Amino acid sequence: AQSVTQLDSQVPVFEEAPVELRCNYSSSVSVYLFWYVQYPNQGLQLLLKYLSGSTLVKGINGFEAEFNKSQTSFHLRKPSVHISDTAEYFCAVSRADFGNEKLTFGTGTRLTIIP
Amino acid sequence: DTEVTQTPKHLVMGMTNKKSLKCEQHMGHRAMYWYKQKAKKPPELMFVYSYEKLSINESVPSRFSPECPNSSLLNLHLHALQPEDSALYLCASSQTDRNPYGYTFGSGTRLTVV
Repeated sequence: AQSVTQLDSQVPVFEEAPVELRCNYSSSVSVYLFWYVQYPNQGLQLLLKYLSGSTLVKGINGFEAEFNKSQTSFHLRKPSVHISDTAEYFCAVSRADFGNEKLTFGTGTRLTIIP
Repeated sequence: DTEVTQTPKHLVMGMTNKKSLKCEQHMGHRAMYWYKQKAKKPPELMFVYSYEKLSINESVPSRFSPECPNSSLLNLHLHALQPEDSALYLCASSQTDRNPYGYTFGSGTRLTVV
C-alpha cells in the first residue's frame, strides 16, 4: 500500500516570502504524485502532478514541485507567496501501474500568509 | 464544461430522514468517486464507479447507498444517518480509473446530521 506523510500541519509565511511544503511518500511500486489545494468551503483543485520524466514539475498559481526518488519526496515550493495562497494543501499518491483508481492523501498542510 | 457540479451545497437532515446528494459532470469522464472529508482531515475514499459499475466500496456502512444512473450522473442516497456522519461530501471524476491525470473535484455538499 502507498502512504503519504506531510510533516508540517501548519506553515505560517510572510507575504512575498518563499515557502516550501514538505511531502514524503512510501510505496513498493512506482507512483504518480499530486498536489491539491483546498480553499475554505471549497473542493480540491489540482495544483500539479508528477507522472514521469522531468523531476521538476510546474503547476498553476506559480507553484512547482520536485520529485526526488532517492529521498521519496515531492516537496511543493513557491518563490513568493500572496495572501490568496492561504489554503489547505494536500499531497497525494497513486500507483503508477493502476493509475489513480485509489488516490491516497496526506493529512494536509495549512498555509497561512501573514500580511 | 470542465466542472463537477454537486447539489445541494448544504444539507441538514434528521437521523430518520432520507435524502440524496447529486453529482454531475459533462467532461466524458468514465470514473466517478465519492469522498468524505471531516473537518481538518484529508478526504477519505468511499466509492469508485468505473463505466457506471461500482468497482470499489471502502467498507462504507449501508446507510450510504451510491447510484450511477448514467455516465454523467452520480448519486449518494442517505438513510438513517448518525451525527458522526456530518462532513463535507466530495464528488470527483477522472477520464477512467486507470489514467494518471488526477481528479476533478466538485465543491462538495456540507452535510449536517441532527
